[in-house]
Amino acid sequence: DTAVSQTPKYLVTQMGNDKSIKCEQNLGHDTMYWYKQDSKKFLKIMFSYNNKELIINETVPNRFSPKSPDKAHLNLHINSLELGDSAVYFCASSKGGQGTNNEQFFGPGTRLTVL
Amino acid sequence: DAKTTQPPSMDCAEGRAANLPCNHSTISGNEYVYWYRQIHSQGPQYIIHGLKNNETNEMASLIITEDRKSSTLILPHATLRDTAVYYCIVIKGANFGNEKLTFGTGTRLTIIP
Repeated sequence: DTAVSQTPKYLVTQMGNDKSIKCEQNLGHDTMYWYKQDSKKFLKIMFSYNNKELIINETVPNRFSPKSPDKAHLNLHINSLELGDSAVYFCASSKGGQGTNNEQFFGPGTRLTVL
Repeated sequence: DAKTTQPPSMDCAEGRAANLPCNHSTISGNEYVYWYRQIHSQGPQYIIHGLKNNETNEMASLIITEDRKSSTLILPHATLRDTAVYYCIVIKGANFGNEKLTFGTGTRLTIIP
C-alpha cells in the first residue's frame, strides 16, 4: 500500500486555468505538508496542516489554496495558473504532535507544466 | 533553524562506504540533524536522524561530532541505487506541524560501478 499518494502524477495545462492536486496518506498521521520543487531543484515548503488546521503558510500567493477535508487528505487548488507555477509539487505527512521525531514521508510528486 | 553546508558532489565506488559530510556550526541545543535523500524524480526519503549520539539503522549510520558542529552520514556498502542527492537538515523536534524542513542544495552522490 502506498503511504502517501498524489494525483495526478503529471498535469499539463494552459495559463489562466484553475487546477487541483490531491494528496492522501494512509499512515494515520496528523500533519501534512505541501512542498514545491522548481526547475533549479530547490525544494521549499509551502504549507503545513495539523489536524485539518493551517499551521505554516510560507508566503505563497493566495492563488494557492490548500484544503484539508480530513486528516488523511490535503488537496492543493491553484487558481489562474501562471508560467512560474510550473514545478514538481510534493505532498508529505508526519506523525505530528510534539516530540523528538520529525520524520516526514513524501509522496511521488506531481509535475505541473503550465503552457 | 541552523544552516548547513555540504559539498555539491561526491563519487563513491560501488561496494565501498560512502561518507557524506555536513557542517552545521550554528546548531542549537534542541535541534536535530536529519538526513534525507532524493533519488531522481522521486519524493525525498528519510534516512536517519540524531541529536548528539551516533545513530545506526538499516540504511545508514550517522556520526555527530562531540561539539555537534558537524556530522557524517555513512552508507556502509554503497550500491548503484544509492545514487541520489543527499540533504543534511537541522530542525527542531516535532511541534504540531510548526516545524519545516529547509532543503539546501545537498550533495549529489554518484556511485560508480
